Parts: sequence; C-alpha cells; structure tokens
Amino acid sequence: AQSVSQHNHHVILSEAASLELGCNYSYGGTVNLFWYVQYPGQHLQLLLKYFSGDPLVKGIKGFEAEFIKSKFSFNLRKPSVQWSDTAEYFCAVKKANAGGTSYGKLTFGQGTILTVHP
Amino acid sequence: KAGVTQTPRYLIKTRGQQVTLSCSPISGHRSVSWYQQTPGQGLQFLFEYFSETQRNKGNFPGRFSGRQFSNSRSEMNVSTLELGDSALYLCASNSGGNTGELFFGEGSRLTVL
Repeated sequence: AQSVSQHNHHVILSEAASLELGCNYSYGGTVNLFWYVQYPGQHLQLLLKYFSGDPLVKGIKGFEAEFIKSKFSFNLRKPSVQWSDTAEYFCAVKKANAGGTSYGKLTFGQGTILTVHP
Repeated sequence: KAGVTQTPRYLIKTRGQQVTLSCSPISGHRSVSWYQQTPGQGLQFLFEYFSETQRNKGNFPGRFSGRQFSNSRSEMNVSTLELGDSALYLCASNSGGNTGELFFGEGSRLTVL
C-alpha cells in the first residue's frame, strides 16, 4: 500500500519569505500526485496536480510543485508567501496505470500547518 | 454547479448511539469517497463507492459502513459510537476522469460524549 510522508508538521514564515514543503511517497509504480489546501474553516481545495508530462506543475495562487521520480518526492514551493496563505497543506498520492488513469484510494500525508506572519 | 453537500454539518452523540451522515456529490459525479479527519491521525480513508458498489475500503472496523444510491448520493453509518469516533467526516466526489481529482465537501463534525 502506498504511504505519504510530509516532512514538517508546522512551518512559520514571515510574509515575502520563500516556501518549500516536503512530500515523499512510497510506491514504486506510476502515480498521480496532488497538493490540497485547507484554509481555516473551509473545505479542502485542490492546489495543483501531477499526472503526466512536465514534472514541474503550476497551480493556483502562485504555487508550484516538482515531481522527482527518482526521489519519490513532490515538494510544494512558492517564491513569496502572503498572510492569506496561512492554512494546512496536504500532499496526496493515488496509484495510476501505465496509461495514467488513476485507481484506488487517494492517500494523504499528515498535513503541514503553515502560519504566515504579516 | 453546486459543490459537494454534506449534512448534518455538526452533531453531538453519546457513546453507544449510532449516526448516519449524508453526502450529495457534484452533479454528474458517480464516485463518492469518505474520509475521517482527526488532529492525530490526519485524513484516513474510509471507503469509496462507484455506481452503488463499494470499490475500495479502508482499515476501519465493521461499525463503519456506507452505501450509495442510484442518484449517486451516499450515506455513511457508524454504529455503537465510541469517544474516538469524534472527528470531521469528509465526503468527496470524483467525475471518474483519469486524474482522480477529488472535490471535497465541508464535512460533518461529529462529537461523541
């Protein structure tokens, strides 16, 4: 079964600082990868996803993530965070077949709470 | 297009009782998944339904069950509630497309006293 590990439980930054949240997964086959965000009091929303092609994917609100297959990693980055980025971030993985079609359950990491001070 | 709707949003039960939670997926979505979210365990997969059939199941005891109706609406039931069942229960729907993206509802927050 696949699993997901997020390196940091809580990250505290000042506005304009750069952000990198680590995510590693354990599954040797083809995967689809996701980052979700949960703002305080709101539902989980998709930030970005990777399923094939360019390993550098861009999402909403200036976020991007890079899939490094050899490292089983899918780290989330943002060059300059804002106070409004304060939220909990979840990395998730889903198995996929050779054609890229995902199947099975979506497995989440434990989440990283990001606090941005103005 | 309306999002995923979950009812009730909040509920309080006592140990030993049972509870039923409801989820209406996005129109046209045939897959519904349920997750339990707690501060200690994060997001744990409960089960997934597709076209009224359970397609995947997580590692939860048999007290946790679910079903899906012909209109894709889904319910989950927890019997003989325990204190540890207190959690946010999230429902997510999926169009069945290749990428497996899930769209989440706001959740049903269950407190067991």
